[in-house]
Amino acid sequence: NAGVMQNPRHLVRRRGQEARLRCSPMKGHSHVYWYRQLPEEGLKFMVYLQKENIIDESGMPKERFSAEFPKEGPSILRIQQVVRGDSAAYFCASSRSGSTDTQYFGPGTRLTVL
Amino acid sequence: AQSVSQHNHHVILSEAASLELGCNYSYGGTVNLFWYVQYPGQHLQLLLKYFSGDPLVKGIKGFEAEFIKSKFSFNLRKPSVQWSDTAEYFCAVNRAGGFKTIFGAGTRLFVKA
Repeated sequence: NAGVMQNPRHLVRRRGQEARLRCSPMKGHSHVYWYRQLPEEGLKFMVYLQKENIIDESGMPKERFSAEFPKEGPSILRIQQVVRGDSAAYFCASSRSGSTDTQYFGPGTRLTVL
Repeated sequence: AQSVSQHNHHVILSEAASLELGCNYSYGGTVNLFWYVQYPGQHLQLLLKYFSGDPLVKGIKGFEAEFIKSKFSFNLRKPSVQWSDTAEYFCAVNRAGGFKTIFGAGTRLFVKA
């Protein structure tokens, strides 16, 4: 059973460009979470999605950031018009269901904005 | 707002020493508590979790944690560490029935052989 997959693993963008980060959850998992980790900081919750629905996006910046988890295909975290402050590691996790259910993490995407 | 505080950012121990990593959270309601570990070059993975029942929770690789509700604490312990325990450890909490998980800043443990 393949684990959570994220791609790309490394992404370099210039200021003003768009970044698209992909996350494929584990088979049978319908819950996806996105986190951001800045240097020397813990993971910060961004958004929680179920198939075709955003359940909690309280950790998402109000502008430029969006997330989706379509019926078919991976979950996408999209950052428009990137700025240097967006440089971070972005982690995706998935779970089968429920708040007590174990979240399985992907390897992360390291975004660098030049 | 919920928050998680890990007291030590860096810990250095010799093999066979005992380990205790502190974790305190701020939230007045019923919570679920987790410890995750990230070994060098690997994904974040679950060590143990507590959501109800016995407050002393046993996890993988000889780790355990004790939930003390009155102290809002969930400290991680291991009686005798090994070189292979070198990793970064994260404490996390979410509200019972909720999904938004709050992580601490992490503690980097280095075990000297």
